[in-house]
Amino acid sequence: AQTVTQSQPEMSVQEAETVTLSCTYDTSESDYYLFWYKQPPSRQMILVIRQEAYKQQNATENRFSVNFQKAAKSFSLKISDSQLGDAAMYFCALNYGGSQGNLIFGKGTKLSVKP
Amino acid sequence: NAGVMQNPRHLVRRRGQEARLRCSPVKGHSHVYWYRQLPEEGLKFMVYLQKENIIDESGMPKERFSAEFPKEGPSILRIQQVVRGDSAAYFCASSPSVYNEQFFGPGTRLTVL
Repeated sequence: AQTVTQSQPEMSVQEAETVTLSCTYDTSESDYYLFWYKQPPSRQMILVIRQEAYKQQNATENRFSVNFQKAAKSFSLKISDSQLGDAAMYFCALNYGGSQGNLIFGKGTKLSVKP
Repeated sequence: NAGVMQNPRHLVRRRGQEARLRCSPVKGHSHVYWYRQLPEEGLKFMVYLQKENIIDESGMPKERFSAEFPKEGPSILRIQQVVRGDSAAYFCASSPSVYNEQFFGPGTRLTVL
């Protein structure tokens, strides 16, 4: 079975500092995609970053970057220069070939940003 | 460009009533996914549809739940004879293809009294 695990229910970071959110996954597929979604209090799901498994280079989007360790099945999200608006639930998600595209989500990490 | 639209945003039903949740995907997207989010949980896949076809309904309860995506009009998730355990946020997402990013709607929060 395909699974996604986020072991940190809550994290806290000081404004302007850097924080890393952890995610591990399990799949027997060789072709898959990984995503980080942000869910602010409005509950709208917003895509933060995406990584294709066949790409060795870690994805980067402005202040957001990932550390993708394929052999270890690890996909962590690093947020640099944290801002108050980064406070939200963050969900790691897996999309693999056999899933017909549906996303398998972790339980989420609640990030607080302290001013 | 309009994103994914869902309505209503909030829906209150009494036990035994029917709930109808609507989703209009991004224009040009033919893949629609429904997810359910229970409090303090991540999203759980329910059903995947393409125009007029249910592709994968493995995450949807066999009874009381149904979904459709007609040739014209929005996708509908229908819950018959609702129970308190159906209270949750229901999200719709659309995508131009299977391996692309999914764009999510704002969700419908269903409360069953």
